[in-house]
Amino acid sequence: DVKVTQSSRYLVKRTGEKVFLECVQDMDHENMFWYRQDPGLGLRLIYFSYDVKMKEKGDIPEGYSVSREKKERFSLILESASTNQTSMYLCASSFAGAGEQYFGPGTRLTVT
Amino acid sequence: AQSVTQPDIHITVSEGASLELRCNYSYGATPYLFWYVQSPGQGLQLLLKYFSGDTLVQGIKGFEAEFKRSQSSFNLRKPSVHWSDAAEYFCARAITDKLIFGTGTRLQVFP
Repeated sequence: DVKVTQSSRYLVKRTGEKVFLECVQDMDHENMFWYRQDPGLGLRLIYFSYDVKMKEKGDIPEGYSVSREKKERFSLILESASTNQTSMYLCASSFAGAGEQYFGPGTRLTVT
Repeated sequence: AQSVTQPDIHITVSEGASLELRCNYSYGATPYLFWYVQSPGQGLQLLLKYFSGDTLVQGIKGFEAEFKRSQSSFNLRKPSVHWSDAAEYFCARAITDKLIFGTGTRLQVFP
């Protein structure tokens, strides 16, 4: 079975802190994704990586950056957390051209 | 712009009743379409997918979906709902390697 793991299920941070969310997949997938999920808005793509060190902005990249130094690991970074970044963050991975994505359990981030 | 619409935000059914969740997509070449389910506090799990061929696709947990090109729809169905089906359901279409998601339909099941 494909396994996508995220470093934390729940996280509470203060405004202005630097926040790292880690995602690891064990299926040798080329693609990895970070989404943000908010009620009534569905899933919105923050960043997409199609290879090591390669990234592409999604629909809402402002306030976020990403890092992919190894194929299995994709990190989302909030350089200076703000309260409007309180949300559920979901990581996913897929083979190139496959379409279907496999999701991690999510990290619920609260910024106070 | 390419988009996916789920017109029902919230649906309530009785256990044992049939279910249909609606999904419409904007025009395009033969779309790759998906239904995912999300239980409370969990990530998304793939229920089924349509790439080509037979327009009625079977998925896990007794779900099926029918692709209708003329209506730009990909509705999810289940003949008899179980209490454990209570969750949020997302329809999605693939655009190259990315997925465009609908805003989701929350299903509530009454005993």
